[in-house]
Amino acid sequence: DTGVSQNPRHKITKRGQNVTFRCDPISEHNRLYWYRQTLGQGPEFLTYFQNEAQLEKSRLLSDRFSAERPKGSFSTLEIQRTEQGDSAMYLCASSILDRSNEQYFGPGTRLTVT
Amino acid sequence: GQNIDQPTEMTATEGAIVQINCTYQTSGFNGLFWYQQHAGEAPTFLSYNVLDGLEEKGRFSSFLSRSKGYSYLLLKELQMKDSASYLCAVYGNYGQNFVFGPGTRLSVLP
Repeated sequence: DTGVSQNPRHKITKRGQNVTFRCDPISEHNRLYWYRQTLGQGPEFLTYFQNEAQLEKSRLLSDRFSAERPKGSFSTLEIQRTEQGDSAMYLCASSILDRSNEQYFGPGTRLTVT
Repeated sequence: GQNIDQPTEMTATEGAIVQINCTYQTSGFNGLFWYQQHAGEAPTFLSYNVLDGLEEKGRFSSFLSRSKGYSYLLLKELQMKDSASYLCAVYGNYGQNFVFGPGTRLSVLP
């Protein structure tokens, strides 16, 4: 399978705990995006990388969220001191810098904070 | 600021044609995308418009008017499997993020 993969697919955690999600993009894609989606809403942009550089981070994003892409390949998204409001689907997408900027999405990680 | 509007829900009959509208206000414009998302699944790419006019791809067509900040997705010969949410997304100035609309939930009835 050469698509975008995300792990874990589901995560249940208690409020206050830290969680980390991983995204493996399509191998030749140099852009990687993280989104959050709640039921009935479109994806909300969190951050994106071009190669290993984090080029933009949403102003709405709490300091509890951090993302890395250390070697320009896979990426991790960490949420510290989780809150119930963090419960959502976390989507990763990748694209190649060309005319179309088409993003390919992974299956997502569903986070439930109890 | 950036804002994208779409109808929340639409219903159509199998075999019919449906048009899903999207209006946007963004800082800069480098393209408009339509994605399909089935319940519980990730979005999948449908179309991309960067110039005014109509782009046709099989049963799906997408139209863009940059001066009006308006796009629509046209679905022909509707099938039951087309029941899904349709997301309009705009790519703003270079280096800026994608902004997704809330999505339009389409129900195709027999």
